[in-house]
Amino acid sequence: EPEVTQTPSHQVTQMGQEVILRCVPISNHLYFYWYRQILGQKVEFLVSFYNNEISEKSEIFDDQFSVERPDGSNFTLKIRSTKLEDSAMYFCASSELFGYTFGSGTRLTVV
Amino acid sequence: ELKVEQNPLFLSMQEGKNYTIYCNYSTTSDRLYWYRQDPGKSLESLFVLLSNGAVKQEGRLMASLDTKARLSTLHITAAVHDLSATYFCAVDGPGSGNTPLVFGKGTRLSVIA
Repeated sequence: EPEVTQTPSHQVTQMGQEVILRCVPISNHLYFYWYRQILGQKVEFLVSFYNNEISEKSEIFDDQFSVERPDGSNFTLKIRSTKLEDSAMYFCASSELFGYTFGSGTRLTVV
Repeated sequence: ELKVEQNPLFLSMQEGKNYTIYCNYSTTSDRLYWYRQDPGKSLESLFVLLSNGAVKQEGRLMASLDTKARLSTLHITAAVHDLSATYFCAVDGPGSGNTPLVFGKGTRLSVIA
C-alpha cells in the first residue's frame, strides 16, 4: 500500500535554529498538508498545498514557517527560527480527493 | 469556525464491554473521518464516512454518521486490550474539494482486564 514518508523521524534543535522537515507524498496525490500535534494534545492544521502553491493556512502558520515542493516528489516544511513552543510531532499528509494518508511524523524537540 | 467535540476524552473500560464515543461538529459537513493513534505513532485511518446515514464496520468497531444532527458515533463491541489507543474524529471544512481537516481532542481509550 502506498505510503507517505517523512524524514527525519526525530530532530533535536537549538532554539533559534532553522529546521527543514521532509515529506514524500503519495505519487498520484494532488493535495499536501502539514499538521502538528503538541504532546498529548489534538492534531492541528498548519497549511495545505495544491498546484504548487499554498491553498490554505492556519493562524499557527506565521512568517516563521514556509513550505516548498522543490522537485516532483518532496514536500518540505521549514521553520526559520525555532522556538521552544515549536516542539511537537509534525505530520505530513496527502490526498487525492477524499481521504487523507498521514506520514509517520517527525518529532521535533527544541531545546 | 468549524469546531469538533469528542466525548468522553478519557475512557477506561473492561474487556468484553460495549461503549460508544461521540463526535459532534458545529457546521455543515458531509465528510467525517475516524483515526486511531497509538502512543508516539502516526494516525491510522479507521473509517471514512461520506454521506448521511453512512455506517461502516471493521471488527469490533462500527462508525456511523448523522449529518443532520452533526453527529458521528464510534461504537466498540466486546472490547479487547488491543483496542487501547487514542481515537480521533476529524471533519472536512465546508465547501467542495479538499478543505483541511479539523480534529477533535481525541478519546484516550484504555481497555483493562
